[in-house]
Amino acid sequence: EDQVTQSPEALRLQEGESSSLNCSYTVSGLRGLFWYRQDPGKGPEFLFTLYSAGEEKEKERLKATLTKKESFLHITAPKPEDSATYLCAPWTGFQKLVFGTGTRLLVSP
Amino acid sequence: GAVVSQHPSWVICKSGTSVKIECRSLDFQATTMFWYRQFPKQSLMLMATSNEGSKATYEQGVEKDKFLINHASLTLSTLTVTSAHPEDSSFYICGAGGGETQYFGPGTRLLVL
Repeated sequence: EDQVTQSPEALRLQEGESSSLNCSYTVSGLRGLFWYRQDPGKGPEFLFTLYSAGEEKEKERLKATLTKKESFLHITAPKPEDSATYLCAPWTGFQKLVFGTGTRLLVSP
Repeated sequence: GAVVSQHPSWVICKSGTSVKIECRSLDFQATTMFWYRQFPKQSLMLMATSNEGSKATYEQGVEKDKFLINHASLTLSTLTVTSAHPEDSSFYICGAGGGETQYFGPGTRLLVL
């Protein structure tokens, strides 16, 4: 059975305090991995797609990396507007995503 | 680009009534659309996958007769919650496949009284 675990469940940072979120997965037939950001009461917003181990993608203060068993989302010098729930979702084909439970990030000014 | 809309964003209904939620891909064609539900502080749970012009595929434990899905065109899918009950109250989110990426609508919050 496909499994996705995200850690920590919740993370509180001060503005400017860098950190990393983890996504560990056990899935068969991995074709890629997606990262999304979800604000309260809204649908997920696409951030990145990673396709192979060793790949890295960057967007503003966020950088996503991928290994064979996990992915990391690095947040450099976060700002309060980065506060959200970050979801990872391995992709096993036919566009079917397996979502993790998410990391709730709160960045305080 | 890659905008997905949902309507309505909020709906309150009485127990026993049916509710229809629309999902539209506004600037791309989506051969595959997905319907999820999400409970507070939990992740998205896939309910069903639909391909344009064919029957939806439901995940285990999801009642196909209760959650009717129609994917009539490459830009429109609808989810109808039939004979809604309070336990159906949830946040429903649609996803639309744009190439290899799935894009999501803003969600519909359903409250059944």
